Amino acid sequence: KQEVTQIPAALSVPEGENLVLNCSFTDSAIYNLQWFRQDPGKGLTSLLLIQSSQREQTSGRLNASLDKSSGRSTLYIAASQPGDSATYLCAVRRAGGGNKLTFGTGTQLKVEL
Amino acid sequence: DVKVTQSSRYLVKRTGEKVFLECVQDMDHENMFWYRQDPGLGLRLIYFSYDVKMKEKGDIPEGYSVSREKKERFSLILESASTNQTSMYLCASNSLPSSYEQYFGPGTRLTVT
Repeated sequence: KQEVTQIPAALSVPEGENLVLNCSFTDSAIYNLQWFRQDPGKGLTSLLLIQSSQREQTSGRLNASLDKSSGRSTLYIAASQPGDSATYLCAVRRAGGGNKLTFGTGTQLKVEL
Repeated sequence: DVKVTQSSRYLVKRTGEKVFLECVQDMDHENMFWYRQDPGLGLRLIYFSYDVKMKEKGDIPEGYSVSREKKERFSLILESASTNQTSMYLCASNSLPSSYEQYFGPGTRLTVT
């Protein structure tokens, strides 16, 4: 059974700092991995999706990497801003078909002025 | 622009009531999903549907049923609400290109008293 872990559960950084969020998964047979952002009391917003054949994806100040063999993904946020404060979730889709996502429990990020 | 809407942002119901949560997507997606999100447990899949009138159980279907009579609408039904069904409920949808990227609605915070 796939398990997805995100450490740390919470993180507080000063504005302007570059930071890395971690996601690890136990079964490396994945089809793709998706990073989401969730603001308090709101739904999920998709940030980046990485196919299993890719090593990284970039969108603006965000860069997500994937090392499938070691079961790890990182989300790099450059020059963090208070507006980046949210919970960040990663989710993996298993290989071989199927449309289910297995989610981590998230990292709650606070960027302070 | 991708859009998934849910009928209510907040809902308070009494134990034993029948509860309907509605989800509508305007992207002509084949697949629709219902998740619940609880602190420390992350998002867990309740049911999903890959076509009109088709459904499959997710990881935690007990106490729930679903209905998909039209492609754009997916309903989650709590036949007899219980206090342990107090949660945030999130609907999502996706299509069948290779990305399988899921798009989420804003969520419904359900409280059962």
